[in-house]
Amino acid sequence: DAGVTQSPTHLIKTRGQQVTLRCSPKSGHDTVSWYQQALGQGPQFIFQYYEEEERQRGNFPDRFSGHQFPNYSSELNVNALLLGDSALYLCASSPQGSNQPQHFGDGTRLSIL
Amino acid sequence: ILNVEQSPQSLHVQEGDSTNFTCSFPSSNFYALHWYRWETAKSPEALFVMTLNGDEKKKGRISATLNTKEGYSYLYIKGSQPEDSATYLCALPGRGKSTFGDGTTLTVKP
Repeated sequence: DAGVTQSPTHLIKTRGQQVTLRCSPKSGHDTVSWYQQALGQGPQFIFQYYEEEERQRGNFPDRFSGHQFPNYSSELNVNALLLGDSALYLCASSPQGSNQPQHFGDGTRLSIL
Repeated sequence: ILNVEQSPQSLHVQEGDSTNFTCSFPSSNFYALHWYRWETAKSPEALFVMTLNGDEKKKGRISATLNTKEGYSYLYIKGSQPEDSATYLCALPGRGKSTFGDGTTLTVKP
């Protein structure tokens, strides 16, 4: 039973570029949430996808967008990258409506030069 | 904005020491609290789900308590081992998303 998988593991970009991160949820989960974890801080909620639509959004600018596919996998896109976007990006999955603990991937480490 | 606070930010103990740390949260509209353990280079893993005031949960040498009236949860580790070294996160779930504290990073020295 595969857990949450994320790709790539690491990514280096320069300011102004665009990036796409990918996530496959745990088998049986249909809801995907994305979090940004900066050094020394806890994960900050970016948004959540269910039924291919963004259902909730945290305090992140429109440069952060996403998508969910019919197989429940998801992408996080960040445009016009800033130095401050350097962080670990975590994907978490859960069944819809569940308030049980989420299952997390290992994250994508994004570095902006 | 839901404010979840954890203290201390970091903790260094010797192998065999017992330790504890705190998660504080607004006591109004409480639904549940989750504790996660996050080891380096791995993904966060759930330790406990706390829902009722007075809850006490235990898993091996690790236990947690919950006080929803005053808005805090304690995580205890008895006889710390080097493999307990990790960041411990607490989170309040709500409407499918979770609000996390900044974590307590525990380092256990052999």
